[in-house]
Amino acid sequence: GQNIDQPTEMTATEGAIVQINCTYQTSGFNGLFWYQQHAGEAPTFLSYNVLDGLEEKGRFSSFLSRSKGYSYLLLKELQMKDSASYLCAPMDSNYQLIWGAGTKLIIKP
Amino acid sequence: EAGVAQSPRYKIIEKRQSVAFWCNPISGHATLYWYQQILGQGPKLLIQFQNNGVVDDSQLPKDRFSAERLKGVDSTLKIQPAKLEDSAVYLCASSPREGSGTEAFFGQGTRLTVV
Repeated sequence: GQNIDQPTEMTATEGAIVQINCTYQTSGFNGLFWYQQHAGEAPTFLSYNVLDGLEEKGRFSSFLSRSKGYSYLLLKELQMKDSASYLCAPMDSNYQLIWGAGTKLIIKP
Repeated sequence: EAGVAQSPRYKIIEKRQSVAFWCNPISGHATLYWYQQILGQGPKLLIQFQNNGVVDDSQLPKDRFSAERLKGVDSTLKIQPAKLEDSAVYLCASSPREGSGTEAFFGQGTRLTVV
């Protein structure tokens, strides 16, 4: 079966760094997406990894290890506006996104 | 560039009633998705269109849900009759094409409450 595992909730302090882990099992693999979703709003695209390694985009970076079925999203210099849910979504062999339940990130002053 | 438009934003209906949601994807996007998102969960794909053809509707409860995308542009999702467990946010998303690395752009969603 296809499965995504992310922590349900994480708490971090403003200005700090946080790493949100995601492990996955899919039928085939065509890359992995990370989306951000603020409460009551639609998901917005953050990053896409298809090859192993780290992709850096400003304060956000995403890492992928295909052999381990593992990805993480790294958020630096946390701001209050980063309080949101972060959704890990690998794409299977049929190009279908398999969505996790997401990690709710709470930022404290 | 205009985003994905959905209406209505909110809808409250009684169980056994019917309801319809509308989606206008980003101009030129061939792929359109309807997702159901229950509070605290990730989006669940209901149906995926490529132009006006159905690519995947394996998780669509076809006894009560239907969707169409006439002319390969706008789409409507209908529920008839609604059940209490249908209370969720219904998200429409579009992408330029199907395939690896193609990000999906989401609309604001329709929050449905069935009472």
